[in-house]
Amino acid sequence: GAVVSQHPSRVICKSGTSVKIECRSLDFQATTMFWYRQFPKQSLMLMATSNEGSKATYEQGVEKDKFLINHASLTLSTLTVTSAHPEDSSFYICSGVDSGNTIYFGEGSWLTVV
Amino acid sequence: KQEVTQIPAALSVPEGENLVLNCSFTDSAIYNLQWFRQDPGKGLTSLLLIQSSQREQTSGRLNASLDKSSGRSTLYIAASQPGDSATYLCAAPSSGSARQLTFGSGTQLTVLP
Repeated sequence: GAVVSQHPSRVICKSGTSVKIECRSLDFQATTMFWYRQFPKQSLMLMATSNEGSKATYEQGVEKDKFLINHASLTLSTLTVTSAHPEDSSFYICSGVDSGNTIYFGEGSWLTVV
Repeated sequence: KQEVTQIPAALSVPEGENLVLNCSFTDSAIYNLQWFRQDPGKGLTSLLLIQSSQREQTSGRLNASLDKSSGRSTLYIAASQPGDSATYLCAAPSSGSARQLTFGSGTQLTVLP
């Protein structure tokens, strides 16, 4: 079946640095991908919608200049957390949607900012 | 705007017991509803996807039901095992979108040996 590959699965970075998370659809083209995050003991919340070839759409309260999303091809979306701070430590997960509107989730990425 | 609520937030049961997890959603104009499992420190595992035309979906010891009219879904786990211990998330399509999901806050299940 269709697979969405996300990496890195875990990353630790220093405060003030940037970290990039990649999300790839391996056997289908995803014109749209979604990025979610989950803070400890909370549910997953949609951060942004990534559209191939156009700007991402961000949910209210999500800083677009801090969370840079690039969707340059039909199989790859990246989320870059810029100038990361400890409060950005979270679980980030992407999903891709195929032409039949079936949703596939990546494995998720655990970000720890120290 | 879609809102998803899960009750209870946490549940602890002895091994072998049958149990029911509840999920309610506010926007019943949904195409489907999904149940996921999340283990500590891990990603999401899709358990069951119920299409809006279905009332039930079964996989092994798991049975999920969907009642759109009342905005409710339940996940029934039969003969629970310690390996079932995890957080169970219910997710419904966000209002106006078939592709992005609104998640409930989850039910943390502990099955005691």
